[in-house]
Amino acid sequence: GAGVSQSPSNKVTEKGKDVELRCDPISGHTALYWYRQRLGQGLEFLIYFQGNSAPDKSGLPSDRFSAERTGESVSTLTIQRTQQEDSAVYLCACPTSGQETQYFGPGTRLLVL
Amino acid sequence: QKEVEQNSGPLSVPEGAIASLNCTYSDRGSQSFFWYRQYSGKSPELIMSIYSNGDKEDGRFTAQLNKASQYVSLLIRDSQPSDSATYLCAVVNAGNNRKLIWGLGTSLAVNP
Repeated sequence: GAGVSQSPSNKVTEKGKDVELRCDPISGHTALYWYRQRLGQGLEFLIYFQGNSAPDKSGLPSDRFSAERTGESVSTLTIQRTQQEDSAVYLCACPTSGQETQYFGPGTRLLVL
Repeated sequence: QKEVEQNSGPLSVPEGAIASLNCTYSDRGSQSFFWYRQYSGKSPELIMSIYSNGDKEDGRFTAQLNKASQYVSLLIRDSQPSDSATYLCAVVNAGNNRKLIWGLGTSLAVNP
């Protein structure tokens, strides 16, 4: 929705490996959110960016998770030393400028074996 | 108490019936409310937003908001099998970051 893209669409990795997930919003989306959704579960907030700053990181589940954003555009969510419980769909969402309505990317489906 | 609560369902209705989905929220200062639909294996997509008490209609969908009762609902008229999905209620919190708080969703099945 609203041109938010995410890559890769699917990622299979081995336990203990690091992964990087990418969110690429349309230029001008100043706010950006990362969520996690485990199979059959609700949306779990991870982190919120306003510009390149992250005023709310309260949802990151452990110090293995980090995220950054550059140029008020692309954001990368990094998971270090992946665990099987990290298996989920990771969704990026961006409100259109001045609006609270969030538009979601297609998500990255992560499977940790 | 969860901040945004929804009945998990599944809610099962026959084709052509009215489906009624309900959501309650705890933050009395909330001003913005959203309904999203999520098909299995897909991302959530916005159906309706509502900001004022009362009803807001868009096609077969009607959102109803009652701030005094801290209650927001979604009615789907003439339900179709293609409406079968999980419906997520989201509420903007009244704090500084105006974060969306999500319910866990109600699963709706429309039976032909």
